[in-house]
Amino acid sequence: SQQGEEDPQALSIQEGENATMNCSYKTSINNLQWYRQNSGRGLVHLILIRSNEREKHSGRLRVTLDTSKKSSSLLITASRAADTASYFCATVLQTGANNLFFGTGTRLTVIP
Amino acid sequence: DGGITQSPKYLFRKEGQNVTLSCEQNLNHDAMYWYRQDPGQGLRLIYYSQIVNDFQKGDIAEGYSVSREKKESFPLTVTSAQKNPTAFYLCASSMTAFGVAGESWETQYFGPGTRLLVL
Repeated sequence: SQQGEEDPQALSIQEGENATMNCSYKTSINNLQWYRQNSGRGLVHLILIRSNEREKHSGRLRVTLDTSKKSSSLLITASRAADTASYFCATVLQTGANNLFFGTGTRLTVIP
Repeated sequence: DGGITQSPKYLFRKEGQNVTLSCEQNLNHDAMYWYRQDPGQGLRLIYYSQIVNDFQKGDIAEGYSVSREKKESFPLTVTSAQKNPTAFYLCASSMTAFGVAGESWETQYFGPGTRLLVL
């Protein structure tokens, strides 16, 4: 299965600290995307990084991609209580349809 | 107010019953998707449709059926053949964006989900 694996499964930090989540995948990708899910809600797209990119920023988010290691990381700087959610990485394969293959998620808790 | 909607928010199914989950979008997206999410898990693809009147099986299509008669609508039926239907069901839509170098990508927009419970 192409489904990615996030690490750690759960992360608990104090408000103001940085949070780092990692994602590993198995097959060559076209792009990798990060999504956020608040409890019991739908997913919201955060950021997309293409296979020829190594780093991307969006506000307090920083995503890196290492295609040689088939891994990506999501860094949230200066975390806030409102960042509490589950974060999923999703990959689009290099060949075939543009379907997303989701990882198992990291549950982030930011303590005020 | 553009977006993707799902109804109902909660749905109860009796043994042997078929139930249909609604998904509507007014984003003018061509592609639509149905996912299943189990507690503490990622999303698994049930069915997807790239265009009206066409749909493809995903990873876990058994026990489910879909139709795509209109661009805006992609209903999912959970049939009695699905023996473990209790889950959170998410619908999504997407359209393709193109870069200056000819590359393309899609991001998906999700509905709020329907939680299906078995009585």
